[in-house]
Amino acid sequence: AQRVTQPEKLLSVFKGAPVELKCNYSYSGSPELFWYVQYSRQRLQLLLRHISRESIKGFTADLNKGETSFHLKKPFAQEEDSAMYYCALSPGGSEKLVFGKGTKLTVNP
Amino acid sequence: DAGVTQSPTHLIKTRGQQVTLRCSPKSGHDTVSWYQQALGQGPQFIFQYYEEEERQRGNFPDRFSGHQFPNYSSELNVNALLLGDSALYLCASSTLRMDTDPYEQYFGPGTRLTVT
Repeated sequence: AQRVTQPEKLLSVFKGAPVELKCNYSYSGSPELFWYVQYSRQRLQLLLRHISRESIKGFTADLNKGETSFHLKKPFAQEEDSAMYYCALSPGGSEKLVFGKGTKLTVNP
Repeated sequence: DAGVTQSPTHLIKTRGQQVTLRCSPKSGHDTVSWYQQALGQGPQFIFQYYEEEERQRGNFPDRFSGHQFPNYSSELNVNALLLGDSALYLCASSTLRMDTDPYEQYFGPGTRLTVT
């Protein structure tokens, strides 16, 4: 079965604090992992994917195959990071996306 | 480029009716995927169309059907609407051309369907 679990529905931090959004996945093969973000009144957009190993807007995510996790991290949160974050996987050989339920991040001033 | 566009924005239907939602992909894209997002949930994959054929399908009943036109735009049809079909329906476009990234999907703003 293909499943993505985001254990935190809501996450609140203060500006300048580190933030980590957790994501665990279940898939027997080698999936592609992604983080999508939806800012208020905007459409869902790709934030980053594990294969590119990029840092986007200060966010990074490391794929841990042993723990089947793909947590999203940022050392110093900004107010503009407040948004809904979705972790997603794409099963090998397929371009469909399997999403988690999302985590709403609020960064307080 | 307006990106992915969807119509209508909102729709209210009665149980048992049929509905058609429309999607125009981003310029240069040839693949359209549809997702259903219920309140408080992540998007769920319905199906994907490429070259006017259904390429992949998620775990949705046959009441959900689709179509892709030669200009790559797509329709999602839902028959015999149930209250549980109330959701935000998202369209995403991408391309399977060899020189591009098939995993980069661009999402539309969605159509909010309410079934009463």
